[in-house]
Amino acid sequence: EVVLTQSPATLSLSPGERATLSCRASQSIDTYYLAWYQQKPGQAPRLLIYDTSNRATGIPARFSGSGSGTDFTLTISSLEPEDFAVYYCQQRTNWPISFGQGTKLEIK
Amino acid sequence: QVQLVQPGAEVKKPGASVKVSCKASGYTFTAYYMHWVRQAPGQGLEWMGWINPNGGATYYAQKFQGRVTMTRDTSISTAYMELFSLTSDDTAVYYCARDTLAGRPDNWFDPWGQGTLVTVSS
Repeated sequence: EVVLTQSPATLSLSPGERATLSCRASQSIDTYYLAWYQQKPGQAPRLLIYDTSNRATGIPARFSGSGSGTDFTLTISSLEPEDFAVYYCQQRTNWPISFGQGTKLEIK
Repeated sequence: QVQLVQPGAEVKKPGASVKVSCKASGYTFTAYYMHWVRQAPGQGLEWMGWINPNGGATYYAQKFQGRVTMTRDTSISTAYMELFSLTSDDTAVYYCARDTLAGRPDNWFDPWGQGTLVTVSS
């Protein structure tokens, strides 16, 4: 099983700042086999980024994804108030499909 | 628009089973695989498996094999996930989530149902 480790566990930033979230895999992941989801309290997750760097429909351009091999990054260029949430990475390279434990992005 | 509607909550006793429904609308139900993902309270996401509504083929995570059954009723565009021999460790929100690609599992999930809280308690 591919274990995804996200860091930091909690990230405290202010609106307007840049956020960089990390997802490290226990083994190499095929380039297009990583996604990112956003989850707000009491809501279901929402797909943000798929195939490492493609934004899902309706996702603002301030969200971007990058990475390869075992190291992947979600960047939010300038935080909006609605971006404070928990973010999960997910891989589909190997079965079972697995998720990271999440990074909580909180308002500083 | 695409919608997945789930019941809000279920309460079950240890040893019982639960069957969670997921009614789809806004698209051709048989065209997209449906996944099930669960989330224990305050915890992360755990993928359970998928069903192909076109024919009913399934694929389960090894952890759940023998204890989960995923089915569908195409006449009412509804997918089901039944989990047996429940323990307190199965207390979680269970989500259905549609695959993003028609015809085969791309294994990205969008959209998601709102989730069903299954509480296992004596």
